[in-house]
Amino acid sequence: GENVEQHPSTLSVQEGDSAVIKCTYSDSASNYFPWYKQELGKRPQLIIDIRSNVGEKKDQRIAVTLNKTAKHFSLHITETQPEDSAVYFCAASPHSGGGADGLTFGKGTHLIIQP
Amino acid sequence: NAGVTQTPKFQVLKTGQSMTLQCAQDMNHEYMSWYRQDPGMGLRLIHYSVGAGITDQGEVPNGYNVSRSTTEDFPLRLLSAAPSQTSVYFCASSYLEGAAGELFFGEGSRLTVL
Repeated sequence: GENVEQHPSTLSVQEGDSAVIKCTYSDSASNYFPWYKQELGKRPQLIIDIRSNVGEKKDQRIAVTLNKTAKHFSLHITETQPEDSAVYFCAASPHSGGGADGLTFGKGTHLIIQP
Repeated sequence: NAGVTQTPKFQVLKTGQSMTLQCAQDMNHEYMSWYRQDPGMGLRLIHYSVGAGITDQGEVPNGYNVSRSTTEDFPLRLLSAAPSQTSVYFCASSYLEGAAGELFFGEGSRLTVL
């Protein structure tokens, strides 16, 4: 099955600086790569996603890049703010063929924004 | 719309007891799934369903049972609880098969097995 590695496990940045979280995946047939944000005690929520026919996608201060050849994708947050403090999860959808295996998640990155 | 509703939010069980975590969605999503979240382990898929009457195993299915008799409901049953099943459980649904679209999560159910 799919295997998703996520780094770093903890990231501390100064408010206003940029943050980058990186993920690699193993299944070359994966074609959907979402990022979820989970605030303390809350449910995960989708913040941005990218499909394999696109190399980069931006939404205000967040962007995701995808390198299918190297099988890695990254989340970029610019001008970080205190409300960006949370755990971020990357995920990849495995090759489904005729079925549906669900998303495989990375282990998460705890992003800490220092005032 | 209420979205995805999970009950109970908290539960304490003794080893060997059984229980059912309820999950319901009102978005007419065909795809539903259960994940467990443990510290440092991310979200791991337990079981999923692509429609009423169809279920399949995920990454960590042992000790859990599911059924999907309606589009709306997807309960998760713990047959004989073990301390290793202490976790936070999330139900999630999606409008696209294979979860290749946004997953909508419930608020989570924190289970402690003594």
